[in-house]
Amino acid sequence: QKEVEQNSGPLSVPEGAIASLNCTYSDRGSQSFFWYRQYSGKSPELIMSIYSNGDKEDGRFTAQLNKASQYVSLLIRDSQPSDSATYLCAVTGGNQFYFGTGTSLTVIP
Amino acid sequence: GAGVSQSPSNKVTEKGKDVELRCDPISGHTALYWYRQSLGQGLEFLIYFQGNSAPDKSGLPSDRFSAERTGGSVSTLTIQRTQQEDSAVYLCASSQPSVNEQFFGPGTRLTVL
Repeated sequence: QKEVEQNSGPLSVPEGAIASLNCTYSDRGSQSFFWYRQYSGKSPELIMSIYSNGDKEDGRFTAQLNKASQYVSLLIRDSQPSDSATYLCAVTGGNQFYFGTGTSLTVIP
Repeated sequence: GAGVSQSPSNKVTEKGKDVELRCDPISGHTALYWYRQSLGQGLEFLIYFQGNSAPDKSGLPSDRFSAERTGGSVSTLTIQRTQQEDSAVYLCASSQPSVNEQFFGPGTRLTVL
């Protein structure tokens, strides 16, 4: 079983809709959770971090963490074509840092 | 301040040659990571440095790969006797010691002919 699992997609949503990206992880001792956005041909860019159960909002982005169920999600409200990218979930506990393989999101104008 | 920088941005080499890839982390970031990303794939962890501690080399795929970090700052990833399967983008990231948020450099695209 992989440490971090994501649906590879592709996920397509119309412009203005809510995009929902999900990630599950296997290590119950994981402490920190991150979402990165990666445009084609570019390096990953940190967009959200979350450390405790519940929701964390930053602009159009909301990260949700449920440690009991071992999942973390990212909601993108009012999706824009510029949000089209691959979204990587990352989980860490101590020195180990695990990335999922990413979910490809396409926002259709 | 400046972000993570990597050089060269692109490297084309012949099979069997050695290559060195350089990473200059964000000033003050004591943690430094190397990853490899093949086309359309996720990030593959290679090695992790934290301050003066012994590096975590558990992700290095073979003994042809090595890395060092001088003075707790700049790091060099060396690949000896390159193979075609080494072709990938090599990404470096750094983070502050108490915060695990990693910031990535632009990467080095390595092509082994």
